[in-house]
Amino acid sequence: SAVISQKPSRDICQRGTSLTIQCQVDSQVTMMFWYRQQPGQSLTLIATANQGSEATYESGFVIDKFPISRPNLTFSTLTVSNMSPEDSSIYLCSVAGAIGGTNTGELFFGEGSRLTVL
Amino acid sequence: GENVEQHPSTLSVQEGDSAVIKCTYSDSASNYFPWYKQELGKRPQLIIDIRSNVGEKKDQRIAVTLNKTAKHFSLHITETQPEDSAVYFCAAILNSGNTPLVFGKGTRLSVIA
Repeated sequence: SAVISQKPSRDICQRGTSLTIQCQVDSQVTMMFWYRQQPGQSLTLIATANQGSEATYESGFVIDKFPISRPNLTFSTLTVSNMSPEDSSIYLCSVAGAIGGTNTGELFFGEGSRLTVL
Repeated sequence: GENVEQHPSTLSVQEGDSAVIKCTYSDSASNYFPWYKQELGKRPQLIIDIRSNVGEKKDQRIAVTLNKTAKHFSLHITETQPEDSAVYFCAAILNSGNTPLVFGKGTRLSVIA
């Protein structure tokens, strides 16, 4: 299993500001995913981040609002831009498990970053 | 794309009783079905999974069954304990290696001592 570290674990932000969440993995992984979990809700995929290419965004999420970087195989960032109270949520970084280079389908999650926007 | 429906949204059981959570999926090509448990304030963690080449899998007090024809799968927890109280998410994926998990909406299980 992968060990995933996310920073910050929580933050209180002012409306209109932006915050960057960092995700560090202890091993090289091809695919990283960013999920959002609004209070009491399920996990919704924001985007898939692959090293060396543009992130692929899901319907309802756009690069201008959630820019993602993936500079190498162990690190990614998600920025939540121009925040509003509706962006208050937990943001989770995750990586796909792999055996022998083949994706198993299992996801490992970071601890999450709980953002509160005032 | 895949769509996963999960029922019930909340479930309360007495300690020692069994709990069953059901999910349906839409994409008949999906072949990997994990279940995640999320305790309050913590990250989701995989508790059991099943692939489309088997119909049932057990791990101590938890089991998962899969009906490919009907496109549904279920989580069974026997002899429930208070520490089983959590939110449980089912998910489905076409495990081609390039598609992420699609999650159900979750079931909040409360085990009453």
